[in-house]
Amino acid sequence: EVVMTQSPATLSVSPGERATLSCRASQSVSSNLAWYQQKPGQAPRLLIYGASTRATGIPARFGGSGSGTEFTLTISSLQSEDFAVYYCQQYNNWPPFTFGPGTKVDIK
Amino acid sequence: EVQLVESGGVVLQPGGSLRLSCAASGFTFDDYVMHWVRQAPGKGLEWVSLISWDGGSTYYADSVKGRFTISRDNSKNSLYLQMNSLRAEDTALYYCAKGDGGNGYFDYWGQGTLVTVST
Repeated sequence: EVVMTQSPATLSVSPGERATLSCRASQSVSSNLAWYQQKPGQAPRLLIYGASTRATGIPARFGGSGSGTEFTLTISSLQSEDFAVYYCQQYNNWPPFTFGPGTKVDIK
Repeated sequence: EVQLVESGGVVLQPGGSLRLSCAASGFTFDDYVMHWVRQAPGKGLEWVSLISWDGGSTYYADSVKGRFTISRDNSKNSLYLQMNSLRAEDTALYYCAKGDGGNGYFDYWGQGTLVTVST
């Protein structure tokens, strides 16, 4: 099973600042990596797939990069609606599909 | 507009059984893989099961293998999860999720249905 880790667990950022979230896989997942955003009381929403491709309707301030075992989600200028928990997920080696434990982005 | 609406979540005792349903609309249901993903209260996401477009292939997380069965009825645009021998650790919000066109990420999610297993 591919184990996904994320850092930091919590990221405190001021509105307008840049946020950088990290995701690491226990073995190479190529570019088969997705990012999701989850707000309290809501279902997850797909942000990024293929490590760097934005999903439909996702603003350009969200960017994904990386391949192999190291990945990054960057939010270039945090808006109030971006404060949420972010999960990475690998789909290279399955079953199972595996998620990271999440990074909570909160207001500094 | 893609819509996924789960139902069937209840409170039940350990050892019990339950069937969850997911009604899909807004896309050609029988063209896509479908998944169940769960989230225990205050915890992260855990993939549970996948079913191929025609129901011919199914996969399960080790934590539910042998106890849960995924199925679909393409004539009704519906996905199901039969859950048997339920345990306290199965307590979670269960999401129905649409697979993408063949890669393995989840491009649309329902709002979830809550299953609570407790004495």
